[in-house]
Amino acid sequence: EIVMTQSPATLSVSPGERVTLSCRASQSVSNNLGWYQQKPGQVPRLLIYGASTRAPGIPARFSGSGSGTEFTLTISGLQSEDFAVYCCQQYHTWPWTFGQGTKVEIK
Amino acid sequence: EVRLVESGGGLVQPGRSLRLSCEASGFSFDDYGMHWVRQGLEKGLEWVSGISWNSANIGYADSVKGRFTVSRDNDKNSLFLEMHSLRPEDTALYYCVKDAWAVGDIQWGQGTLVTVSS
Repeated sequence: EIVMTQSPATLSVSPGERVTLSCRASQSVSNNLGWYQQKPGQVPRLLIYGASTRAPGIPARFSGSGSGTEFTLTISGLQSEDFAVYCCQQYHTWPWTFGQGTKVEIK
Repeated sequence: EVRLVESGGGLVQPGRSLRLSCEASGFSFDDYGMHWVRQGLEKGLEWVSGISWNSANIGYADSVKGRFTVSRDNDKNSLFLEMHSLRPEDTALYYCVKDAWAVGDIQWGQGTLVTVSS
């Protein structure tokens, strides 16, 4: 199976800052990569699909890039509601696999 | 509006069985593959099983292969997961997920909690 590795595990940031999260795949997933945001007690919310396309209703401050094995999620101008766990997922092949998540917390 | 409603979770002893259901509405169920994804308490997401729109393609995580069986009834807009020989490590919130990655229309249900404990 394809192993997804995210870094860092935790990121402490202040509101308004720009944040960059990384996700690496153990083998190429082309652009079949999604990013989720999850808050405690809530269902994962899809932010990005196709590595760089924002899902419907997602604010423009969220952007994704990358292809193959290296991917990045950038949040420009972090807002209070953005403090959460962010997780990448490959859907290139079954089994779908997920990264372990990056927690973005208030500094 | 797309709705996915899971049911069938509960407290069960190790070694016993449970059947989960997911009732779908608001979209053409038989046009989409469907998946089960689980999340343990304070843990990450783990794909459990997937099934294509016509049940021709089915897959399982190694951790559940041989114990779990996925199926669907397109006439009843429903997805199922038969779980046998349950283990404590199967304890998790089980989500039903609509597979529409091509258009970024991934939908998750609210989940049903399975607790395996004596």
